[in-house]
Amino acid sequence: NAGVTQTPKFRVLKTGQSMTLLCAQDMNHEYMYWYRQDPGMGLRLIHYSVGEGTTAKGEVPDGYNVSRLKKQNFLLGLESAAPSQTSVYFCASRGRLKPGPNYNEQFFGPGTRLTVL
Amino acid sequence: GDSVTQMEGPVTLSEEAFLTINCTYTATGYPSLFWYVQYPGEGLQLLLKATKADDKGSNKGFEATYRKETTSFHLEKGSVQVSDSAVYFCALSPVGSGGYNKLIFGAGTRLAVHP
Repeated sequence: NAGVTQTPKFRVLKTGQSMTLLCAQDMNHEYMYWYRQDPGMGLRLIHYSVGEGTTAKGEVPDGYNVSRLKKQNFLLGLESAAPSQTSVYFCASRGRLKPGPNYNEQFFGPGTRLTVL
Repeated sequence: GDSVTQMEGPVTLSEEAFLTINCTYTATGYPSLFWYVQYPGEGLQLLLKATKADDKGSNKGFEATYRKETTSFHLEKGSVQVSDSAVYFCALSPVGSGGYNKLIFGAGTRLAVHP
């Protein structure tokens, strides 16, 4: 049971290049999320998905696109990378809401460190 | 809007010292509150949580109490170990965020524990 995995772990891009980050989870979770982590700012939500075939914008969606064609995968794309997108990107997933306290734990992947020159 | 404020780090302690990391929040109603921990080179892991006022979350010797009157959720541990060295994030889930379980994170506090 690998949990949440992310590929690649590191990547360096030049301004204007494109790339796709892959997130995979093997816990049959409905919900998946992409965050970026910047120094002094904590994690900010980029996009999320509440199920296969659905996506929605988070706090900072500009410059990113996502797709959830399969339940276990959530892809984050950068069509034309900019230096402002230099960051550490985290994927997370969680299962359906359970009865009781309104929360299910989000499980995080190990992150992808992206540098845009 | 809703927000979380944590004490700035880094916090440097000797092994067996007492730890406090302050966290205060701004939110309407009674949000759920969490502490996540990020060990070097890894993703975030849930450390503890509290879902209503006066709840105490605890795990691995860490504790935090949901204080509505002071809008705080300070993290404490009586005796830290070198293995506790990590970045600690305070977070809240706003009331009514329901469907997608929105989380708002603080900036994180780096803890370094020396032998």
